[in-house]
Amino acid sequence: GENVEQHPSTLSVQEGDSAVIKCTYSDSASNYFPWYKQELGKRPQLIIDIRSNVGEKKDQRIAVTLNKTAKHFSLHITETQPEDSAVYFCAPKGAGGSYIPTFGRGTSLIVHP
Amino acid sequence: DAGVIQSPRHEVTEMGQEVTLRCKPISGHNSLFWYRQTMMRGLELLIYFNNNVPIDDSGMPEDRFSAKMPNASFSTLKIQPSEPRDSAVYFCASSFLGFQETQYFGPGTRLLVL
Repeated sequence: GENVEQHPSTLSVQEGDSAVIKCTYSDSASNYFPWYKQELGKRPQLIIDIRSNVGEKKDQRIAVTLNKTAKHFSLHITETQPEDSAVYFCAPKGAGGSYIPTFGRGTSLIVHP
Repeated sequence: DAGVIQSPRHEVTEMGQEVTLRCKPISGHNSLFWYRQTMMRGLELLIYFNNNVPIDDSGMPEDRFSAKMPNASFSTLKIQPSEPRDSAVYFCASSFLGFQETQYFGPGTRLLVL
């Protein structure tokens, strides 16, 4: 199956700073790259995703970039706010017709006011 | 749409008891996933169904765990007998594979086995 690693495991920033979380994967045939956000005590929810035919996607303060050659994609959050504090998971889709998601271990982002 | 529905939201039971978790996926979705989340092991995929058929159950910990999906709108995850190490949050998620790959998670069932 797909090997997925996220870095860093914990990220602490000051409000207004930028945050970047990186996800590396092993399956070169992966073609779907989502990021999920899980607030404390809540369920994971999709915040942004990208497909393999696109290099970058933005949605207001968040963006995802993809480097298929190096097999990694990153989540970028600009102008961080305390409500961005959460655990973020990447879950690249492996090869084949069935989707067996492999979630990373998560990155705990703490935004200090 | 009400989203993915799970019940119960909280369950406290004693070791050795049977536990049944329930899930109603979003109407029209063709795939359903059961996950277990703990601090130690993160978010683990236990089993997933496509068109009500179990496709991959390699994540099911052992024979004490079983899952069924008798129809497109209902699934159960059963633990019998339960053990303290089964204490975790269990999430159900659904998606429409082949069209939109976003996973929609339910609110989770917080299970505590004493």
